[in-house]
Amino acid sequence: DAGVTQSPTHLIKTRGQQVTLRCSPKSGHDTVSWYQQALGQGPQFIFQYYEEEERQRGNFPDRFSGHQFPNYSSELNVNALLLGDSALYLCASSFAYGQPQHFGDGTRLSIL
Amino acid sequence: SQELEQSPQSLIVQEGKNLTINCTSSKTLYGLYWYKQKYGEGLIFLMMLQKGGEEKSHEKITAKLDEKKQQSSLHITASQPSHAGIYLCGAAVAAGTASKLTFGTGTRLQVTL
Repeated sequence: DAGVTQSPTHLIKTRGQQVTLRCSPKSGHDTVSWYQQALGQGPQFIFQYYEEEERQRGNFPDRFSGHQFPNYSSELNVNALLLGDSALYLCASSFAYGQPQHFGDGTRLSIL
Repeated sequence: SQELEQSPQSLIVQEGKNLTINCTSSKTLYGLYWYKQKYGEGLIFLMMLQKGGEEKSHEKITAKLDEKKQQSSLHITASQPSHAGIYLCGAAVAAGTASKLTFGTGTRLQVTL
């Protein structure tokens, strides 16, 4: 039973560029959440998708956007990258109610 | 907004010793989750606590939830090198386990031989 998978594992971009990160949820899960984890900090909630719609959003600017597909997989898009966007981006999936969120191994994004 | 404070921030214990990590919330806890993270990797789910007074154990790790104190503790018995890593507590900000999670800054555990 495959867990949450994320791609790519590492990514290097320059300021001003755009990036797309991908996530496939654990089998049977229909809700996907994205988190940003800066070095030495706990993960910060970006947004959550359910039934292909953004259901909740954290305190992140509109440069951060996402999408969920009919097969429950999800993408995180970040436009106009800033140096401060350098972080580990984590995807978590869960079944709507009754189970905890399970995390992928993350995508390490470095902005030069 | 909800804040979670973990203590201690870091811990070095000798193999075989017991240890406790605490997590205190500034607001009502609707659910408390413990995760373990190896440096630069994803979070591994350990335990979920939802009811006041609830206590769960898995192998040598026990977690308790004190709803009145808005606090949870994670206790490791007879620590092993495999227990090393960063322990994170996460709190649900609303009822329902699909709620977004707020995390503490983590407790870094090192286990020496």
